[in-house]
Amino acid sequence: EAQVTQNPRYLITVTGKKLTVTCSQNMNHEYMSWYRQDPGLGLRQIYYSMNVEVTDKGDVPEGYKVSRKEKRNFPLILESPSPNQTSLYFCASSPLYWGGIGTEAFFGQGTRLTVV
Amino acid sequence: ELKVEQNPLFLSMQEGKNYTIYCNYSTTSDRLYWYRQDPGKSLESLFVLLSNGAVKQEGRLMASLDTKARLSTLHITAAVHDLSATYFCAVDILNTGNQFYFGTGTSLTVIP
Repeated sequence: EAQVTQNPRYLITVTGKKLTVTCSQNMNHEYMSWYRQDPGLGLRQIYYSMNVEVTDKGDVPEGYKVSRKEKRNFPLILESPSPNQTSLYFCASSPLYWGGIGTEAFFGQGTRLTVV
Repeated sequence: ELKVEQNPLFLSMQEGKNYTIYCNYSTTSDRLYWYRQDPGKSLESLFVLLSNGAVKQEGRLMASLDTKARLSTLHITAAVHDLSATYFCAVDILNTGNQFYFGTGTSLTVIP
């Protein structure tokens, strides 16, 4: 079954304690991205990656890091989480098309993070 | 600054009624996507609109795109309770099929 898998689904942590949210897709998609969802703000892109070892900042990258060492995995790293990073996080993947066909993104189930 | 605005933000409607959700965006784009999100769930793709004048229909939902007006609509016909969800539009600003800017979402509740 084609899917994007995030772990953990729920996480409560304390300020400053480093954490990683994993994201894995089994569709051989080149493009992967991370979003955070906050009430009244919709989804905002944090980072994206167009292929292995190719990553770039989205709209709200401050306080986050990512890596793309393998095509299927795109972990989100919070080196020193703060309460304003409490949010619902989604990982998404899609094929990469240039100047032609557009396609929808496939989203993971979400990770609800609370930083106290 | 890029803006993707949805109206209304909240919508409560009776079963059997029709209504339209609007998505306005402030930049040039030929591609717009609609997603659905059920409470506590992930996002599910509904429609992919790839050109001016594109119209897609699935069941009681119909989406259209006017790139000149920078406007997309999601029309609901004869609403049923199962359509209760939050609906997001997303604009592909680079026309690469990947870089999305999402609207704030429209929370739809269909009342029996």
